[in-house]
Amino acid sequence: AQKITQTQPGMFVQEKEAVTLDCTYDTSDPSYGLFWYKQPSSGEMIFLIYQGSYDQQNATEGRYSLNFQKARKSANLVISASQLGDSAMYFCAMREGAGANSKLTFGKGITLSVRP
Amino acid sequence: DAGVIQSPRHEVTEMGQEVTLRCKPISGHNSLFWYRQTMMRGLELLIYFNNNVPIDDSGMPEDRFSAKMPNASFSTLKIQPSEPRDSAVYFCASSLQGYQPQHFGDGTRLSIL
Repeated sequence: AQKITQTQPGMFVQEKEAVTLDCTYDTSDPSYGLFWYKQPSSGEMIFLIYQGSYDQQNATEGRYSLNFQKARKSANLVISASQLGDSAMYFCAMREGAGANSKLTFGKGITLSVRP
Repeated sequence: DAGVIQSPRHEVTEMGQEVTLRCKPISGHNSLFWYRQTMMRGLELLIYFNNNVPIDDSGMPEDRFSAKMPNASFSTLKIQPSEPRDSAVYFCASSLQGYQPQHFGDGTRLSIL
């Protein structure tokens, strides 16, 4: 089974509107971390936001927030007030464990296009 | 603060040649990761190091690939001999241990002719 599932093939949003990018995960480890990365057309991978499995509140970073629903094993990224520069590929990732053997597993990504 | 530094940014070489990719992690980070990204397979973890020691190399495609981390500030990924199917973008990332986010370099775009 896939550990990270991103099923939306491509998303479109009007500039200045909010958009939600879906991510579900699968783990039996009680301790894990969830991450979102942005990859614009220039190719670099940019860290956006992090949510720990024990965090009581949803993570927020500026216009980015993470809608963390632990029981449903979902960690959706919400981008408020979309900007043209938000057009990119977005990856959800999970890190299980905290020791030396922990590694990041990425989903296949979602393409977001922001329309003017 | 300097981020993860990779070199070269682009590499074009002929099949059969040795290719060496280099990475300098963020100072103080003790975990280093090598990824490969292709359209077909997405982002794949090749190998990662913790405190300069390889922890998991199960993602390394075959014996043609090797990685070293001789010290905390430098790592290499070598492909010998290279093949056209090795063409991809190779990323290096580093992080503090635990749940800290991985910070990626700008990647090396490798083309094997």
